[in-house]
Amino acid sequence: NAGVTQTPKFRVLKTGQSMTLLCAQDMNHEYMYWYRQDPGMGLRLIHYSVGEGTTAKGEVPDGYNVSRLKKQNFLLGLESAAPSQTSVYFCASSRNLAGGLGDTQYFGPGTRLTVL
Amino acid sequence: GENVEQHPSTLSVQEGDSAVIKCTYSDSASNYFPWYKQELGKRPQLIIDIRSNVGEKKDQRIAVTLNKTAKHFSLHITETQPEDSAVYFCAARPLRPNTGNQFYFGTGTSLTVIP
Repeated sequence: NAGVTQTPKFRVLKTGQSMTLLCAQDMNHEYMYWYRQDPGMGLRLIHYSVGEGTTAKGEVPDGYNVSRLKKQNFLLGLESAAPSQTSVYFCASSRNLAGGLGDTQYFGPGTRLTVL
Repeated sequence: GENVEQHPSTLSVQEGDSAVIKCTYSDSASNYFPWYKQELGKRPQLIIDIRSNVGEKKDQRIAVTLNKTAKHFSLHITETQPEDSAVYFCAARPLRPNTGNQFYFGTGTSLTVIP
């Protein structure tokens, strides 16, 4: 049981390049999330998904797109990277809230992205 | 939306002393409050959580208290050890339909335990 995994661990991009970050979870969780973490700003939600085929915007969605084609995977795309997107990106997952259970979000190990 | 404020941003304590981190939230619909510990270069990991129907919860040297009326909650670490040094994040989760269990995080507290 690997929990939540992310690939790649590190990436350096030039301004204008595109890339996709992959998140995978083997806990059969319904909900998945992408956050970015910047110094002094905590964790900010980019996009989230409440199930296969569904996505929704979080607090800071601009410049990112996501897809959830399979329940276990959540992809984060940067179509045209900008230096402001230099950050550490974390994926997380949780169960749904049926019956008031499943609150906790479990995080992946993170991807450190630098945009030059 | 929910707004979570966390204080202090940095905290240094002597080994064996207690540490207290405080958070406030704004949305009365929030009913779940987790605390995460993040060591340098690692992922955030849940250390304790509390639900709004409980005023206090304890797990060995860690405790969390919640004051729903004042909309604030606190993390208490007793008998601190060097391995407690990390960044701690609080979060609040408003329970609203179709919002996907969203968490709103504080900006973090960097705790240093001095041996």
